[in-house]
Amino acid sequence: QSVLTQPPSVSGAPGQRVTISCTGSSSNIGANSDVHWYQHLPGTAPKLLLYNNNNRPSGVPDRFSGSKSGSSASLAITGLQPEDEADYYCQSYDRSLGGAAFGGGTKVTV
Amino acid sequence: EVQLEQSGAEVKKPGESLRISCKGSGYNFASHWITWVRQMPGKGLEWMGRTDPHDSYASYNPSFQGHVAISADKSINTAYLQWSSLKASDTAIYYCARQSGTYWYFDLWGRGTLVTVSS
Repeated sequence: QSVLTQPPSVSGAPGQRVTISCTGSSSNIGANSDVHWYQHLPGTAPKLLLYNNNNRPSGVPDRFSGSKSGSSASLAITGLQPEDEADYYCQSYDRSLGGAAFGGGTKVTV
Repeated sequence: EVQLEQSGAEVKKPGESLRISCKGSGYNFASHWITWVRQMPGKGLEWMGRTDPHDSYASYNPSFQGHVAISADKSINTAYLQWSSLKASDTAIYYCARQSGTYWYFDLWGRGTLVTVSS
């Protein structure tokens, strides 16, 4: 049972828009902790996709965007492309844990 | 090139000890905390704990406290994750990751070390 809750899977056709939700609690996102997102292809190193809710590291396309409201956050992928097929994880700081809390991951199928 | 290079896959028996490593290069290793993350087969990511390479201070997820030890040696730019007595349930991929300054996100990851514990 992950501290943050994500849907197990989402799917979309090439060019479409998909969103992934991330629900937390008053111990993490609801406590005003920032949310970060990672993209992970099995067998490779996870990659930071968005940090501090909606900031993209250099090299990440602007098709990826994030938002946060209350105890929840979401990742949106617009103009879905085949190379976006991967697992996506949300993460935030959790006060009860005293460290990072991850979501269970969402598999995006294109 | 800025990177974290992890040690190779391990196969161990229950009860055995193990230490895996994570070597940083291309940046000031002592200036960034190193975190360890577990991914059990078919499961998501779990934060295990982290170490400050400056002084090897470590803090842990309560779920892992007492079962693993996290440390670092800044003289060789290397962080470690160690078990004194492995269990079959420790079978997983273990990732090290660099924490970005004082923020709680991880901007650089290793490729992971597969640990298999089986009798």
